[in-house]
Amino acid sequence: DSGVTQTPKHLITATGQRVTLRCSPRSGDLSVYWYQQSLDQGLQFLIQYYNGEERAKGNILERFSAQQFPDLHSELNLSSLELGDSALYFCASSVTGGAWETQYFGPGTRLLVL
Amino acid sequence: DQQVKQNSPSLSVQEGRISILNCDYTNSMFDYFLWYKKYPAEGPTFLISISSIKDKNEDGRFTVFLNKSAKHLSLHIVPSQPGDSAVYFCAARGKYSGGGADGLTFGKGTHLIIQP
Repeated sequence: DSGVTQTPKHLITATGQRVTLRCSPRSGDLSVYWYQQSLDQGLQFLIQYYNGEERAKGNILERFSAQQFPDLHSELNLSSLELGDSALYFCASSVTGGAWETQYFGPGTRLLVL
Repeated sequence: DQQVKQNSPSLSVQEGRISILNCDYTNSMFDYFLWYKKYPAEGPTFLISISSIKDKNEDGRFTVFLNKSAKHLSLHIVPSQPGDSAVYFCAARGKYSGGGADGLTFGKGTHLIIQP
């Protein structure tokens, strides 16, 4: 158990809909990362937050957004969903988000868009 | 363009022998490397890491070697055990200009199968 929690575990929705994925980092970690794992693209970095502020962006679509709240939990919002958004979404956390820090991953949310 | 490559999609090793998983990278800005193990329907689990100032790091049965000139790293597992059967991901991170650091860049993974 990494200490990172994610809800829900599974999510099934329809094209065009909007969903919110939630992540709670390990106790004491200030930085949160979101990753997407799809069959064709593998694990890809989406976005990083540190202490409530956006720090880095990866391959995140404009239809996706995220935020980190004062209690340090984070939410990833996916809107106008397409079939291709079906994937595993992982959250990870680290202490300060420094370059030489280990990121610890949560169990993931499996999203299926029908 | 894949910046982190794991060229062996799968590897089969006999229990008790050494497992060697390989990873190549192309981005010379990468300076921190990690190995993760992943079971189906679970998140990646951190195994071991190495920074670019070292060429070897050991933790129990796991050793990671880094060859910066070849832009190559490898994970050695000795001895291999049945519970080691999983997908192993190599990941890299770099400190870019401005002092910021980006997310991890992952390889596609190697499925390690330990035969009894």
